[in-house]
Amino acid sequence: SAVISQKPSRDICQRGTSLTIQCQVDSQVTMMFWYRQQPGQSLTLIATANQGSEATYESGFVIDKFPISRPNLTFSTLTVSNMSPEDSSIYLCSVEQGTAFFGQGTRLTVV
Amino acid sequence: KQEVTQIPAALSVPEGENLVLNCSFTDSAIYNLQWFRQDPGKGLTSLLLIQSSQREQTSGRLNASLDKSSGRSTLYIAASQPGDSATYLCAVSGNTPLVFGKGTRLSVIA
Repeated sequence: SAVISQKPSRDICQRGTSLTIQCQVDSQVTMMFWYRQQPGQSLTLIATANQGSEATYESGFVIDKFPISRPNLTFSTLTVSNMSPEDSSIYLCSVEQGTAFFGQGTRLTVV
Repeated sequence: KQEVTQIPAALSVPEGENLVLNCSFTDSAIYNLQWFRQDPGKGLTSLLLIQSSQREQTSGRLNASLDKSSGRSTLYIAASQPGDSATYLCAVSGNTPLVFGKGTRLSVIA
């Protein structure tokens, strides 16, 4: 199994600012996944982060809005840039080792 | 495009009842199906994973079944307890990244 530490757990941010979310895994993994869960909705994959290469973004998500870093095999960050109230969601990171493991989530509120 | 549907969206039961949560998916070409639990404002905890070649998996009071040909899975919870109150999500893995349903919000009343 994998243990993922994600922070911050929650934040309230002003529109137009940026927030960086961090995920630390207790083992080395090739791929890390970033999801968004909008209120009342299911999880939607934002991007897949591979160490040493650019992240792969899903349809509807772009690097300028959600830049991702993956400096090593245990760590990744997701930045939500130039935030608007529509970005208010729970953001989750995940790894897959047979089954999927998730961080505790970051509840973001943009005011 | 894979789509996952969960029924019901919400369920409230008295403590001690056995209950069934349903999950359906449109593309039967999956590698596996997973059931997760999500507590309010929290991340997801994996409950059960069923490989595409398997019919069911059990863990304690939980039993998950998979009928790949009909695109259905059920999660059976026996002797429900207030601590089981949470949102239950199913997700399928195939040629695309994990696709999630919207979840069933379960409330078990003491």
